[in-house]
Amino acid sequence: GAVVSQHPSWVICKSGTSVKIECRSLDFQATTMFWYRQFPKQSLMLMATSNEGSKATYEQGVEKDKFLINHASLTLSTLTVTSAHPEDSSFYICSARDQHLQYGYTFGSGTRLTIV
Amino acid sequence: AQKITQTQPGMFVQEKEAVTLDCTYDTSDPSYGLFWYKQPSSGEMIFLIYQGSYDQQNATEGRYSLNFQKARKSANLVISASQLGDSAMYFCAMREGYAGGTSYGKLTFGQGTILTVHP
Repeated sequence: GAVVSQHPSWVICKSGTSVKIECRSLDFQATTMFWYRQFPKQSLMLMATSNEGSKATYEQGVEKDKFLINHASLTLSTLTVTSAHPEDSSFYICSARDQHLQYGYTFGSGTRLTIV
Repeated sequence: AQKITQTQPGMFVQEKEAVTLDCTYDTSDPSYGLFWYKQPSSGEMIFLIYQGSYDQQNATEGRYSLNFQKARKSANLVISASQLGDSAMYFCAMREGYAGGTSYGKLTFGQGTILTVHP
């Protein structure tokens, strides 16, 4: 089946640094990638939607300068948290859409980001 | 306005019994899809079952079935013969728009229900 490989699975960084999270589709072309953020025991909140080769569309309230999304190819999308602070600590998960996928979506395994 | 509502923050069930997780939704789009996902403590999202708005029959996948009440806008998940491994957080989600059209877009998730299966 369609697989999205997300790395790293967890990362601890110092406050003020930038962190990059990668989502790579392994056996299909991800025309659209969705990036979600999840706090403990809460729902998945959509941060942004990216389409290959175009700028990401951010949800209201999400700082586009802080959460940089790049979808340069049909197999790779990245989320960079710039100048991270402790309040950015969260679980980040990507989801790829492709019309050939059964029901259309497949998720990465998520990244637990901790800023200290 | 909340588009997907899960009113049960937590549910408990005895092993081997059935359990129903509630989900109601709100949309004016005639074409939509409803999904249920399981999220264990590891964080991965595991797809369980899908129901399209035009599907005449309730979806079933093994021990999972979706009780689709279109007029009531509800899409409850029924898990039969619960197992200890079913303990996890469960999310209902909705996609609005036709699956093959250009509006085939994002999923909106409910608040989730934490299911605990007791031995």
